Amino acid sequence: AQTVTQSQPEMSVQEAETVTLSCTYDTSENNYYLFWYKQPPSRQMILVIRQEAYKQQNATENRFSVNFQKAAKSFSLKISDSQLGDTAMYFCAFIRRGAGSYQLTFGKGTKLSVIP
Amino acid sequence: DTAVSQTPKYLVTQMGNDKSIKCEQNLGHDTMYWYKQDSKKFLKIMFSYNNKELIINETVPNRFSPKSPDKAHLNLHINSLELGDSAVYFCASSQGWDPGQGAQQYFGPGTRLTVT
Repeated sequence: AQTVTQSQPEMSVQEAETVTLSCTYDTSENNYYLFWYKQPPSRQMILVIRQEAYKQQNATENRFSVNFQKAAKSFSLKISDSQLGDTAMYFCAFIRRGAGSYQLTFGKGTKLSVIP
Repeated sequence: DTAVSQTPKYLVTQMGNDKSIKCEQNLGHDTMYWYKQDSKKFLKIMFSYNNKELIINETVPNRFSPKSPDKAHLNLHINSLELGDSAVYFCASSQGWDPGQGAQQYFGPGTRLTVT
């Protein structure tokens, strides 16, 4: 079974600064997908960014970027120019679809607080 | 327009009761999911239906039964509610279930179930 570990239960960052959230995973598979989801106080789960394991280039979405290290099984999220609206729980997720199977695992989340 | 909607948003009930949570998506997706998020924010997939066919059925008590009357709806029925069922339940949908085909999941707002 796949496991996803987010080692930082809580983090804080000053507004306009940069913060990095860590995520590591354990799998023996080669083809899979990784996602970061954001859950603000409203509880809505919002996709932040996705990464295909077969792509070496790190995904980027505006102020959000990932550092994907496949050999190290690491998938960290960097938030640049942090804004108050970035305050939320952030979940790392691993998804793999194989023949006759579908595996989806979320990490336990990191609570990020952006301080004015 | 709400893409993925759930009703009710809040549900308070007593132990032993039977309750249902409804989910509807207007995105034209063919795959829907149910997740449970416990008090520690841990998000775990419960079920998934693709074209009304069950494709993911994680280890959950058989008191939980998903029902998919059509592709746009996936309802969750819970029998004999227990205290441990208290959680936030999220519905999600995607087009296809292969993330390699761009099967990005869209989440509903969640239903907070409290069992007393």
